[in-house]
Amino acid sequence: AQTVTQSQPEMSVQEAETVTLSCTYDTSESNYYLFWYKQPPSRQMILVIRQEAYKQQNATENRFSVNFQKAAKSFSLKISDSQLGDTAMYFCAFMYSGNTPLVFGKGTRLSVIA
Amino acid sequence: ETGVTQTPRHLVMGMTNKKSLKCEQHLGHNAMYWYKQSAKKPLELMFVYSLEERVENNSVPSRFSPECPNSSHLFLHLHTLQPEDSALYLCASTSRGEGEAFFGQGTRLTVV
Repeated sequence: AQTVTQSQPEMSVQEAETVTLSCTYDTSESNYYLFWYKQPPSRQMILVIRQEAYKQQNATENRFSVNFQKAAKSFSLKISDSQLGDTAMYFCAFMYSGNTPLVFGKGTRLSVIA
Repeated sequence: ETGVTQTPRHLVMGMTNKKSLKCEQHLGHNAMYWYKQSAKKPLELMFVYSLEERVENNSVPSRFSPECPNSSHLFLHLHTLQPEDSALYLCASTSRGEGEAFFGQGTRLTVV
């Protein structure tokens, strides 16, 4: 069974600074997807960024980028130029293939401080 | 707006009540899921429906009863719940090959 581990329950960062959230996972599969989801106080789970395991290039979406280390089974999220609106719970998630359920980590609560 | 709509947003029910949660998506997805999110616990997968057939039931108590009448709608029928069932219930949908789940805004359930 796949597992996802987020070792940082809470983090804080000053506005405009950079922060990195950690995620490791365990799987015997070679093809899969990895995601970071954001859940603000409004509770809506929003996709931040996704990575296909077969792609060596790290995914980037504006201020969000990942460091995907397949051999180490590591998938960290870097948020640059942090904004107050980035304050939320961040969940790392694993999906084996298109129609299989997501497996989530426990989440990291990020607070951006003005 | 993700294209997945859940109603109601909030629900308070007594332990002897019967209520239902509704999830609707018009994204053309063919798999839908119920997750339970409790405080300080990881999201728990409850049920999976693929092409309107239940394919997974993760040892969920029978007081939770899912229903998927078509590929766009998913229900969670609730009956004689316990206070520990109070949680945020999230619905999600996916489409084969796209590798991304879209979530509704959740129903905050309180059992009194």
